[in-house]
Amino acid sequence: GENVEQHPSTLSVQEGDSAVIKCTYSDSASNYFPWYKQELGKRPQLIIDIRSNVGEKKDQRIAVTLNKTAKHFSLHITETQPEDSAVYFCAVFYSGYSTLTFGKGTMLLVSP
Amino acid sequence: DAGITQSPRYKITETGRQVTLMCHQTWSHSYMFWYRQDLGHGLRLIYYSAAADITDKGEVPDGYVVSRSKTENFPLTLESATRSQTSVYFCASSSGNGNTEAFFGQGTRLTVV
Repeated sequence: GENVEQHPSTLSVQEGDSAVIKCTYSDSASNYFPWYKQELGKRPQLIIDIRSNVGEKKDQRIAVTLNKTAKHFSLHITETQPEDSAVYFCAVFYSGYSTLTFGKGTMLLVSP
Repeated sequence: DAGITQSPRYKITETGRQVTLMCHQTWSHSYMFWYRQDLGHGLRLIYYSAAADITDKGEVPDGYVVSRSKTENFPLTLESATRSQTSVYFCASSSGNGNTEAFFGQGTRLTVV
């Protein structure tokens, strides 16, 4: 099946700094790459996604970039705030499997 | 209420018992999914369903059974619970098969003693 590697597993930053989380995948036919945020004790929720025909997508302070050649995509959070503290999951969709495969998650801690 | 809901929120059961986790969605989404979340493993797919009466295995199906007689319900049954099945279970639904947003339920924390 699809193999998704997510790094780092934990990330600590100061408020106002930028944070970057990277995921790599194995199947070049994958075509949909969402990011989910899970606050402590809550359900995962979609924050941004990108499809294989687009290289970058931005939504206010968050952005996702996709490098299809290298088979990796990254989540960028600028001007981090304490409320950004959460676990972030990347995911990859490959039509051959009909479902999403998730990375193991990154715990982001933003200190005031 | 509109959305996707799971019940119970918390459950403690004994090894060997059968337990069923419920999932109900009001959007008429075609696809429904069951994931388990364990520290260090992220979200792993147990089973999914493309429509009523259509189900398929995910990454970790052993020890679990699902059914989908109605579009809105997707129960997950542990036939004979084991301690290794202690986990947080999330149900999700989407209008597409994985290339559209998945909406998660609030989760069920299951402890097998």
